[in-house]
Amino acid sequence: KAGVTQTPRYLIKTRGQQVTLSCSPISGHRSVSWYQQTPGQGLQFLFEYFSETQRNKGNFPGRFSGRQFSNSRSEMNVSTLELGDSALYLCASSLAGSRETQYFGPGTRLLVL
Amino acid sequence: DQQVKQNSPSLSVQEGRISILNCDYTNSMFDYFLWYKKYPAEGPTFLISISSIKDKNEDGRFTVFLNKSAKHLSLHIVPSQPGDSAVYFCAAEFGNEKLTFGTGTRLTIIP
Repeated sequence: KAGVTQTPRYLIKTRGQQVTLSCSPISGHRSVSWYQQTPGQGLQFLFEYFSETQRNKGNFPGRFSGRQFSNSRSEMNVSTLELGDSALYLCASSLAGSRETQYFGPGTRLLVL
Repeated sequence: DQQVKQNSPSLSVQEGRISILNCDYTNSMFDYFLWYKKYPAEGPTFLISISSIKDKNEDGRFTVFLNKSAKHLSLHIVPSQPGDSAVYFCAAEFGNEKLTFGTGTRLTIIP
């Protein structure tokens, strides 16, 4: 069974630009969560989607948004990029979310200049 | 407000000895705890979990201990092996809420 895939793996953007990251969950998984990892902050939860609906949301500004498609693939968008948005963005999928093992993708490393 | 804390950013342990990674939490509502392991350039992988109704869960070389009164959990790895060198994250959740992760501890096993 193929794992969670994320594209692109690396991205360089400049301040003020926007970016869209993509995540394809494991086949059959309906829950997709997004996390931001920065040094010293660990993994911080962005949001979770289940069956195309946002089920949980972390404490991030409205510049961070996401969506999930009917095939469970998910995208995350960050508008008006700031230097502090430079991070590793991880996507995780699970069958139905809470209390189930999440399987993480390799992440997209975003550098904002 | 860091609800899950891993106060040791790094830990070095001799191969064959016991590795003990610690995690503290502040939210008494948390009722499920997990440990993840992360190698460079890879996403975290699930290692072991424990429900708040238990105080210990064991899986091979890995044992997680939960002390609810102290709001503390620990991961014991014995014996430690070179392949255990990685960053370890503890995470906690309650109900259907999001997972809250700690900041991670980098474990280095010295051959």
